[in-house]
Amino acid sequence: GQSLEQPSEVTAVEGAIVQINCTYQTSGFYGLSWYQQHDGGAPTFLSYNGLDGLEETGRFSSFLSRSDSYGYLLLQELQMKDSASYFCANRMDSSYKLIFGSGTRLLVRP
Amino acid sequence: DAGVIQSPRHEVTEMGQEVTLRCKPISGHDYLFWYRQTMMRGLELLIYFNNNVPIDDSGMPEDRFSAKMPNASFSTLKIQPSEPRDSAVYFCASSLRGGNYGYTFGSGTRLTVV
Repeated sequence: GQSLEQPSEVTAVEGAIVQINCTYQTSGFYGLSWYQQHDGGAPTFLSYNGLDGLEETGRFSSFLSRSDSYGYLLLQELQMKDSASYFCANRMDSSYKLIFGSGTRLLVRP
Repeated sequence: DAGVIQSPRHEVTEMGQEVTLRCKPISGHDYLFWYRQTMMRGLELLIYFNNNVPIDDSGMPEDRFSAKMPNASFSTLKIQPSEPRDSAVYFCASSLRGGNYGYTFGSGTRLTVV
């Protein structure tokens, strides 16, 4: 089967750095993606890692280690507007079905 | 680009009624996905299309659910008859060449079946 595991909640202070982890079990691997979803909103694409290493996009970075079946999303200089749910997701096979983790709810406090 | 457009935004219906959700993908995108989101089950993939052809409908929960994509700019998800357990937010998403470069989601339809 396939599963992605994330912490259910993370709390951090404005201006700080927070890391959201994702471990996965899949029969195949075709990259790890991250999405952000504000309450009442739609998921929006943040980043994609197809190979090991770090991808940086502004304040957000995403890391992947295929040998450890592990990835994380790093958010720097946290802002109140970063309070949202964050989902890791991957393709389970050569099809384009994207399977999502259960999501991590990030609360940024003043 | 207006993004992925879904309608209606909210739908309240009585158990047993037919419900039709609509989606207009981003022009030029060749993949279209229907997801359902609930607190208990998270984001579930129901069905996806490639170039208007249904590729995988293994996530469709029951025969009460059906989806069509008659052309590249329009898709529908129909529930007939609806049941209270179908209450959820239904998202449509589209992408170019599959998921690697990110899906673009619509704003969703919040369905409540009473």
